[in-house]
Amino acid sequence: DQQVKQNSPSLSVQEGRISILNCDYTNSMFDYFLWYKKYPAEGPTFLISISSIKDKNEDGRFTVFLNKSAKHLSLHIVPSQPGDSAVYFCAASVTGNQFYFGTGTSLTVIP
Amino acid sequence: GAVVSQHPSRVICKSGTSVKIECRSLDFQATTMFWYRQFPKKSLMLMATSNEGSKATYEQGVEKDKFLINHASLTLSTLTVTSAHPEDSSFYICSARDPSGTGNEQFFGPGTRLTVL
Repeated sequence: DQQVKQNSPSLSVQEGRISILNCDYTNSMFDYFLWYKKYPAEGPTFLISISSIKDKNEDGRFTVFLNKSAKHLSLHIVPSQPGDSAVYFCAASVTGNQFYFGTGTSLTVIP
Repeated sequence: GAVVSQHPSRVICKSGTSVKIECRSLDFQATTMFWYRQFPKKSLMLMATSNEGSKATYEQGVEKDKFLINHASLTLSTLTVTSAHPEDSSFYICSARDPSGTGNEQFFGPGTRLTVL
């Protein structure tokens, strides 16, 4: 069964607004979480990560929030730009060993 | 839900030997599977696209004679690292797209950590 889930296969947002991508997981042993961005015909590119000792990590326009009690993490992009249109994957691991990926959310930023 | 498995999860081998990694889609048929390599900066590099019943499509810079990919059935793709060298030590991840899904969903395997001594 999927241990990491992204329940929204697609999301559309107006340019300049906030994009919020969500991810849920079931394994409480996960201690490291990553977000990847993927353009067509390319491999996923690392975007931002967070360890379980934190509840927030920010890098420019990208912020990842981790809610351990809810086993939920989210990626906020603000302000959203057309170049952010891509598929976003979240991934989780236990001590950086095996990685478990969500199925991806396709973000479209409308100019 | 759809699951992709990889075997083995870890492998240690001697330099010069060959290692085979299996990627299986457990409850769906995958006409296309992808093989990635994860580098220390954590970006996944697409190595090749594996198509069932035909030759794999390799990305630029990936040696097809070194990384042999076979997609013999709709549920199994294999990556064989031939004449492994220590610099081949890495994390190899496969993924598969379920053609019955939305088209955007990709299901990833948990990865195989290869260590070449």
